[in-house]
Amino acid sequence: EIVLTQSPGTLSLSPGERATLSCRASQSVSSSYLAWYQQKPGQAPRLLIYGASTRATGVPDRFIGSGSGTGFTLTIFRLEPEDFAVYHCQQYGNSPWTFGQGTKVELK
Amino acid sequence: QVQLQESGPGLVKPSETLSLTCSVSGFSMRSGYYWGWIRQPPGKGLEWIGSLYHSGGPYYGPSLRGRVTISLDTSKNQISLKVTSVTAADTAVYYCARGSVAAGLRHYFDSWGQGTLVTVSS
Repeated sequence: EIVLTQSPGTLSLSPGERATLSCRASQSVSSSYLAWYQQKPGQAPRLLIYGASTRATGVPDRFIGSGSGTGFTLTIFRLEPEDFAVYHCQQYGNSPWTFGQGTKVELK
Repeated sequence: QVQLQESGPGLVKPSETLSLTCSVSGFSMRSGYYWGWIRQPPGKGLEWIGSLYHSGGPYYGPSLRGRVTISLDTSKNQISLKVTSVTAADTAVYYCARGSVAAGLRHYFDSWGQGTLVTVSS
């Protein structure tokens, strides 16, 4: 089973700043089968990125996914008020599909 | 636009069976997508339970294997989840989701239900 470790656990930032979230895998994620989700309190996760770098429909271009192998990054340029949430990464290259424990982006 | 809605008891007694249904609207479950269940214990991360394709058998993650059954009723556009012999560790918000195929069995979840909290307690 591939273990995904997200860091930092919490990121305290102000609107307009850049957020850099890391997702490290315990072994290589084949063909960059990695997704990122955003989750707000009391809501279901929302798909942001799949294939490590492809934005889902309707996702603003300030969300950038990158990386390969065992290291992946989600960068949010110019944080907007609605971006403060928890972000999860998920690998779907090797069954069982696994998620990271999440990174919370909070208002500083 | 696809919409998913989970339903079922919010309270289940230890050792009993948890049963949930997910109703899908705005989309045919016979189309080329996977359908899965994911859960999230209070204050914790997400855990994939299992998925199935409309024309194939289900496959499950290791944590609930042996206690879980996922099935599809395409005539009703519903997916169901059953977990037997539940304990307090099964307390979680349970989500159903549509899986978009990347390749073969591989899929990520592009649409989610709102989730339903199931508490296991006597």
